[in-house]
Amino acid sequence: DAKTTQPTSMDCAEGRAANLPCNHSTISGNEYVYWYRQIHSQGPQYIIHGLKNNETNEMASLIITEDRKSSTLILPHATLRDTAVYYCIVRVAGQGGSEKLVFGKGTKLTVNP
Amino acid sequence: DAGVTQSPTHLIKTRGQQVTLRCSPKSGHDTVSWYQQALGQGPQFIFQYYEEEERQRGNFPDRFSGHQFPNYSSELNVNALLLGDSALYLCASSFIGSNEKLFFGSGTQLSVL
Repeated sequence: DAKTTQPTSMDCAEGRAANLPCNHSTISGNEYVYWYRQIHSQGPQYIIHGLKNNETNEMASLIITEDRKSSTLILPHATLRDTAVYYCIVRVAGQGGSEKLVFGKGTKLTVNP
Repeated sequence: DAGVTQSPTHLIKTRGQQVTLRCSPKSGHDTVSWYQQALGQGPQFIFQYYEEEERQRGNFPDRFSGHQFPNYSSELNVNALLLGDSALYLCASSFIGSNEKLFFGSGTQLSVL
């Protein structure tokens, strides 16, 4: 079973920041938080991951609480192309990609014009 | 770089038949994982191949089998198809020496009638 809980759906206005929450209260010390998204009719796409520090890349920012029991993915300026299902996953890293991804149902983000 | 490629994109079979799906990993990747995604659900891990051997397996029956070739490409075989096998089958590749990202193909949509 997935070790994360996410809202089923969210809406965001185009050009505004989209903040997607994720709860992972049973996360272990060696587990990272990963975010993937899946645009309709495509395979999941990696967005970002982190252990305990906040992370930022060209796609998004990841904010992890100090107790690591929850996190927020931030899309700073959402566009219509960001409409997708967003999956939050906890996973042990450092194993050469051998650790499987356990997906929940994710959050359906709809960006409105 | 073509990324992860899967074939065919769509397939229709009848109950009891057998099917073979194919995957070519991203250039430089040596590990291939297969996922099944039912409508409205997140992807579910089937198994992973590295060095032509199955390394991990999810909760799927023996009707699901696979193979990895020396060029790292992979096949997923499903025997005695059931209606419930109708799903999007996703292939993901990674490099055993890295640990961050899985790259997914766009999947094969299998319909069992």
